Amino acid sequence: DTGVSQNPRHKITKRGQNVTFRCDPISEHNRLYWYRQTLGQGPEFLTYFQNEAQLEKSRLLSDRFSAERPKGSFSTLEIQRTEQGDSAMYLCASSLGVAARTDTQYFGPGTRLTVL
Amino acid sequence: ILNVEQSPQSLHVQEGDSTNFTCSFPSSNFYALHWYRWETAKSPEALFVMTLNGDEKKKGRISATLNTKEGYSYLYIKGSQPEDSATYLCAFSRDDKIIFGKGTRLHILP
Repeated sequence: DTGVSQNPRHKITKRGQNVTFRCDPISEHNRLYWYRQTLGQGPEFLTYFQNEAQLEKSRLLSDRFSAERPKGSFSTLEIQRTEQGDSAMYLCASSLGVAARTDTQYFGPGTRLTVL
Repeated sequence: ILNVEQSPQSLHVQEGDSTNFTCSFPSSNFYALHWYRWETAKSPEALFVMTLNGDEKKKGRISATLNTKEGYSYLYIKGSQPEDSATYLCAFSRDDKIIFGKGTRLHILP
């Protein structure tokens, strides 16, 4: 296993279009996290899954955002009716999920979204 | 302090010099403190997870210390090299997730 992968790496879209990103975590990891990072900020928590269950969503995650992890393996993050403010780096991370507060989270390379 | 604060925001260091930077975090209900290194166009890479007051961890030329009572951690880099140029992120555990600071952007000058 080569680590966490994300696709696509870059996405340019027009305002109002829908986009979907995919994250493939490390295979034995139960927890999967989504973050958003904008210029000058650290990664901001969006949501996380324990296996297929979505356990928490940040207030940053408006109704236009939805995330799924249908079989407890890969996850998708969809943004509907994109806005220019959605332009950011979207990061995915996974962890074993044994001791959530001390587990190391392993990050993917991110998807850079640009909304025109 | 309610969240993570890192200082300085940006730092230029001559190759070969040693440097350090600071992470401040809430000292109440402490569980763990994480350091990550994020190089441009790469994935953030975990450096350390620290849990106990007085913890010191080392990885090559990089080391970190932790003071949970006063809510700070220092990251030290000894003999900086060009490959150390990156953003160094600090994060603390809250509930079942980690909260990141804005990072310290380190530039190594040849």
